[in-house]
Amino acid sequence: DAMVIQNPRYQVTQFGKPVTLSCSQTLNHNVMYWYQQKSSQAPKLLFHYYDKDFNNEADTPDNFQSRRPNTSFCFLDIRSPGLGDAAMYLCATSSATGFSNEKLFFGSGTQLSVL
Amino acid sequence: GEDVEQSLFLSVREGDSSVINCTYTDSSSTYLYWYKQEPGAGLQLLTYIFSNMDMKQDQRLTVLLNKKDKHLSLRIADTQTGDSAIYFCAERFSGGYNKLIFGAGTRLAVHP
Repeated sequence: DAMVIQNPRYQVTQFGKPVTLSCSQTLNHNVMYWYQQKSSQAPKLLFHYYDKDFNNEADTPDNFQSRRPNTSFCFLDIRSPGLGDAAMYLCATSSATGFSNEKLFFGSGTQLSVL
Repeated sequence: GEDVEQSLFLSVREGDSSVINCTYTDSSSTYLYWYKQEPGAGLQLLTYIFSNMDMKQDQRLTVLLNKKDKHLSLRIADTQTGDSAIYFCAERFSGGYNKLIFGAGTRLAVHP
């Protein structure tokens, strides 16, 4: 019954080697988010898609990119991972109905290690 | 600015009440949320409160909001070992649709 699915659960990459994290959803929500959560820190929004419209946070490094080929899937690409990019990456979805309380549904996250 | 602050750790005895506190900065926030994160899992929405309310009760959970002081608290009655987790306070940023600003989380440890 998983509604927001992230793969893989754990990802190990090498310094500078591109890596892609994936997220899929069965909720048919039109908004998908990527958050970065470092150890003992608050989850930090990197960017989100409203349908096909990409919205980048002002302080998200250019090293982070995203793709959303269809409603169900969203990818996070890290072009040249550095040691500081090691973190838990959380995907979330919401249904933007025009009401202000649109709940976020989170996946279980992908824990990224950079060697 | 956008900032949500929480104490990092709370330890309680099983059966006691837990109170987790949070302060936020955006006085225009319309909704405030509490999320729970268990080890190795994503964030799960526990409860939320609309900014024109000062209290909301949902079974063992009571949320208190002091809008003047921008202070939010979550009270868990009869705390159980299954309540051990990290609890995140979040405010809905007034400047954008459903952008949530999270605190760093409070780790709740429940001991016998």
